[in-house]
Amino acid sequence: DGGITQSPKYLFRKEGQNVTLSCEQNLNHDAMYWYRQDPGQGLRLIYYSQIVNDFQKGDIAEGYSVSREKKESFPLTVTSAQKNPTAFYLCASSIDPIGLTVGYNEQFFGPGTRLTVL
Amino acid sequence: QQPVQSPQAVILREGEDAVINCSSSKALYSVHWYRQKHGEAPVFLMILLKGGEQKGHDKISASFNEKKQQSSLYLTASQLSYSGTYFCGTERVHHYGGSQGNLIFGKGTKLSVKP
Repeated sequence: DGGITQSPKYLFRKEGQNVTLSCEQNLNHDAMYWYRQDPGQGLRLIYYSQIVNDFQKGDIAEGYSVSREKKESFPLTVTSAQKNPTAFYLCASSIDPIGLTVGYNEQFFGPGTRLTVL
Repeated sequence: QQPVQSPQAVILREGEDAVINCSSSKALYSVHWYRQKHGEAPVFLMILLKGGEQKGHDKISASFNEKKQQSSLYLTASQLSYSGTYFCGTERVHHYGGSQGNLIFGKGTKLSVKP
């Protein structure tokens, strides 16, 4: 079955540690996205990638880093510089990047990773 | 820069109708609508493109007023399965006229349908 997987589902880390969240898709989608979700805040864009080896900052990129070395993988690292990292993190992908091809921009979301900093 | 959604929450009885609004201060290329059930990933509902179109499937439809930068989601004869949080995602127009290349989501509208 095609889809997006995120691991782990729950993640705990100590303050001051970096942690990497995994996102893998086998949908052959070009574009991938990372969002952060806090209660009452909706989905806020952290980083997005329209093609392999390229990515752009979203609205809240400070304290995060990403890489896109393979089409199917878009890991997110939450660094110790992120002031308030406890949140629910969602990864998504779309066939084409937003703005490229009408009708192919629907975003498919993974199940999410809930990160708690202790 | 987030679009503003209203109302923040709504409670319905089965069979009642609801309207959820999404308003942006920026020029929009398109509006996406998603529904998220508690503890689950958001699920795509529909995309509306600039040009002022209207779309729908089953008893959920939406409109997009390009001039007002507003979109509305209409839920007719609501069912228990409609419960969840609805998000609009806006694709903004870039300063050169094309798409900004990403979506900015509103804070969501929590819809509860009671028997």
